[in-house]
Parts: sequence; structure tokens; C-alpha cells
Amino acid sequence: AQTVTQSQPEMSVQEAETVTLSCTYDTSESDYYLFWYKQPPSRQMILVIRQEAYKQQNATENRFSVNFQKAAKSFSLKISDSQLGDAAMYFCASLSGGAQKLVFGQGTRLTINP
Amino acid sequence: DTGVSQDPRHKITKRGQNVTFRCDPISEHNRLYWYRQTLGQGPEFLTYFQNEAQLEKSRLLSDRFSAERPKGSFSTLEIQRTEQGDSAMYLCASSLDGRGRLDEQFFGPGTRLTVL
Repeated sequence: AQTVTQSQPEMSVQEAETVTLSCTYDTSESDYYLFWYKQPPSRQMILVIRQEAYKQQNATENRFSVNFQKAAKSFSLKISDSQLGDAAMYFCASLSGGAQKLVFGQGTRLTINP
Repeated sequence: DTGVSQDPRHKITKRGQNVTFRCDPISEHNRLYWYRQTLGQGPEFLTYFQNEAQLEKSRLLSDRFSAERPKGSFSTLEIQRTEQGDSAMYLCASSLDGRGRLDEQFFGPGTRLTVL
């Protein structure tokens, strides 16, 4: 069984600063994928970034990047140059190669201070 | 807008009543998923369809829950004899089976159910 843990219920950062959200996971699968999803207040969840476990290079999408530490089963999200629109719940999720269901962490609420 | 849509967006019902939710996936997507999200938690998988076939069901999906996707397009999720513990956001997602390629799941806005 897969598990995903986010140990930071809330984080806050000053606008234009950098923030890192933590996530650890556990899986017995060798083929799996990791994701960060953003859920703004009263709006639908959208994919921010994803990482294939077989890739050693960390994924990057504009201001968003991950630090994937496979041996430590850690998958953190770094947001650079934080903007007010980044305020949301952020969920870390995993998906094993054979299954179709996403397994989510508990979420981190990110607040951006102007 | 061609995203995933869900109806209704909000539903308030009394304990013991039946409720039905609808999800319309992105038109060309052949996979459809249902998740449940309680307050302050991440979504939990309930079930998923490949076309009209229901391929996996979570243990969370008790006998009071039933999901259908009769023509491989829209899906319905019915909860019979609702209980207060059923109060949650019910999320639908869809994806396109890319034949071995990882397929992104696109989420709808959810249906928020409140059971009084």
C-alpha cells in the first residue's frame, strides 16, 4: 500500500520569497509517479508538477521545482518568487505504475503575505 | 468551457435520504474517477471507470454507494440512506488512456454534500 505524508499543515511566505513544502511517501513499487496538486479556495484542483520515479533529474515548471530524494522517499516542492495567486492548499500525491488511483497527503495550506 | 463539470455544486440533505451526483468528463476522456475529500484532508479514491466498465472500487465505497457510467460518457454517484459521516466534497476526475503513457487526471469543481 502507498502512503503519502505532509507534515506541515500550514506554511506562510512573504510575496516574492521562496518557500519549500515537504512531502514523504512510502511505496513498495519500483514504478511510480509523484505529483503536486494545487487547490485554490472554492476552485478545482490543478496539477502543478509531476515526477517519474525512474528519472533522476528533478522536474521543473517555471517557478515550481521539486527536490526528489528517492532513497529517502522525499519529494519537496519549491516555489520561487511567490505570488499572491500561489495561495492555496497544496497536495502531494503518488500513483504506482499499475494502479490508476492517486494517493494524496493531508495537504499544506500556503498563505502568501503581501 | 471543456473541463470536467459536476452537478450539483452543493447539496444539503437530511439523514436517511438518497442523493445522486453527476459528473461530465472531458469529452474525449475514457477514464473517469471519483474521490471523496473531507474537511482538512486530502482526497481519497473511491472508484474508477474505463469507458463503461467499473474497474476498481475502494473499501470506502460501502453498499450504500453505487456509481455508474452507462454509456462511457457521464457518470453518476448515488448514496442511499445518507449518514452524517457522508458529508464531504465529492470530486470527479477524468483522463485519457494513453496506452502506457502516464495520463494526467483533470479534476472537476466537486459536489459538496452536507447531511443534516
